[in-house]
Amino acid sequence: SQTIHQWPATLVQPVGSPLSLECTVEGTSNPNLYWYRQAAGRGLQLLFYSVGIGQISSEVPQNLSASRPQDRQFILSSKKLLLSDSGFYLCAWSLAGGGTQYFGPGTRLLVL
Amino acid sequence: EDKVVQSPLSLVVHEGDTVTLNCSYEVTNFRSLLWYKQEKKAPTFLFMLTSSGIEKKSGRLSSILDKKELFSILNITATQTGDSAVYLCAVEPYNTDKLIFGTGTRLQVFP
Repeated sequence: SQTIHQWPATLVQPVGSPLSLECTVEGTSNPNLYWYRQAAGRGLQLLFYSVGIGQISSEVPQNLSASRPQDRQFILSSKKLLLSDSGFYLCAWSLAGGGTQYFGPGTRLLVL
Repeated sequence: EDKVVQSPLSLVVHEGDTVTLNCSYEVTNFRSLLWYKQEKKAPTFLFMLTSSGIEKKSGRLSSILDKKELFSILNITATQTGDSAVYLCAVEPYNTDKLIFGTGTRLQVFP
């Protein structure tokens, strides 16, 4: 069966510091991978998605970036965090071609 | 612009009540509609609907899609405190690999 991992589970970072969140999927090949952000009490905002290694589509212009160095690894990064980057970051996967997305446990990020 | 609208935004009921959550959409080239349950963590998948009029059921939860009127409902019968969560509706258009999410309905079930 497929599983999706995210780490860290929680993170407190100062403004201006760098960020690296990692997501890995097991039990499937060539998945679509997605990064979402959810602000407190708000809906899911799609940040990036990837249909293959090195292929990244950005949905919202901001100071975040994403990379997919391996088939089942998706990384969300920032060089300098802003207060507005605080939120709940979710990674998700689907089969190639889309369809149902399955979410990882999420990372709660607080930027102070 | 594609959009998904859920109603009500919030709902408070007592255990044993039956609730109906609504999801309407405006999407070009509709492929499927999905329901998720989100407690204080990641959303978990409930149902995927692709055809009108065919009810999907899992225990006390059921859902149906109306592609003519562009909406879906999620019913929960005999609610329990464990049903308290945010319920998210999402629509997938063809040829996008993306889901368009509504903002969710927050359900609170009190004993």
